[in-house]
Parts: sequence; C-alpha cells; structure tokens
Amino acid sequence: NAGVTQTPKFQVLKTGQSMTLQCAQDMNHEYMSWYRQDPGMGLRLIHYSVGAGITDQGEVPNGYNVSRSTTEDFPLRLLSAAPSQTSVYFCASSLGPGTEQFFGPGTRLTVL
Amino acid sequence: GQQVMQIPQYQHVQEGEDFTTYCNSSTTLSNIQWYKQRPGGHPVFLIQLVKSGEVKKQKRLTFQFGEAKKNSSLHITATQTTDVGTYFCAGPEAAGNKLTFGGGTRVLVKP
Repeated sequence: NAGVTQTPKFQVLKTGQSMTLQCAQDMNHEYMSWYRQDPGMGLRLIHYSVGAGITDQGEVPNGYNVSRSTTEDFPLRLLSAAPSQTSVYFCASSLGPGTEQFFGPGTRLTVL
Repeated sequence: GQQVMQIPQYQHVQEGEDFTTYCNSSTTLSNIQWYKQRPGGHPVFLIQLVKSGEVKKQKRLTFQFGEAKKNSSLHITATQTTDVGTYFCAGPEAAGNKLTFGGGTRVLVKP
C-alpha cells in the first residue's frame, strides 16, 4: 500500500494563478481532509469529506475548493492564488475524524 | 467553534531530563489523539485515549486523558535527541465531523 500520496511536493505560483493539489489514498478510507501548516502554527483544517460526493468546510476554507468524486481522490483547488496561501499543505485520510489520521508527505506552496 | 490549545508552544529540554506538554479543549472530547511531526516531515499518529482518566504508556512517553475529557497531557522521561519534533494533540467534535488540532509543542533537545 502506498498510503496517502500528494503531488506536487513543491510548487511556486504567481499571485492570481490557479492550481490543483492532488491527494490520493489506497486504504479505502471514507474520511479525507486538507490542512495547512504555517510556520510556528498548528494544523488548520481547510476542507474535509466524509465520503464520495460529500464535502464540507473546515476553519479556513476561503480561497479553496474541493471535490470528492471517488473514494480515493480528494483534490484541493486554489482558484486565484494569493501570498497569504503560502504554506505547507497536508492531506490526511482515515476511517473517521475520531480515528487515526494518516497524513501524506505534504506540498510546500509558495505564492509570489 | 471548538478550540484546542497546547502549552508550552516551545520546550527546550536538556538531554536526560523529563518534561510535560499539556492540551486543553474548549469542549468535551469523545477522544484525544496525539501526533508527532519530525522536522521537515508529516504528522504521525502516536496514540488515542478514549476513557475518562485513561493513562497509556509507550516506552518513555506517558499519555493521560483528564477526568472531564477536556484536557490531556504527554509526559516524556529521560528525553533523548530522537524526541525532537513537534507534538500535536487533536480532538474530534462531539457532534460533527471536524478534527481540531492544537497548535503543537515544539521540542528542542540540548545534548
């Protein structure tokens, strides 16, 4: 099992550009989530999904969109990147929010 | 909304010494999870506590869940350089699907 995979590992964008961060898991987990981690700060929940076709907002959803068309994939879209979105993004999957979260290796995003 | 706070934010420890980091939630938790993130890495699950007053040990790490299920602690004895990293606690909403992480305690070990 590959676990949780994220692509790309690094990305540099210019302000206003759009991009999609990819996340996939092969553990048949229903629950998937996206977090951002800023220097010296914890993990802040952006969006989460409890199953295919169902998504909901976390504590910092503005500027990000998600979709969950399959159990395996949970992409995160930045429609118009801003410098404030410079961060490390982690995707996680699990059986549910009350169970062990499996994190991907992260995507380090810089917006100039 | 639910808030989870951790103290201290930073912990400088002499190798061989003990220390404790604390986690406090604004709401009652169904369980508490602890994660460790090594520098440059991703968070890795350590343990989950479910019962009020529960205590669990993993070698030199002792985890405790408060009686009111609103706080938790992680105690590390005889700190080693391998303990370097950031320790996060996390708790799910009692009625919902969000998992909230604390701000983490970053542990630095002085040899």
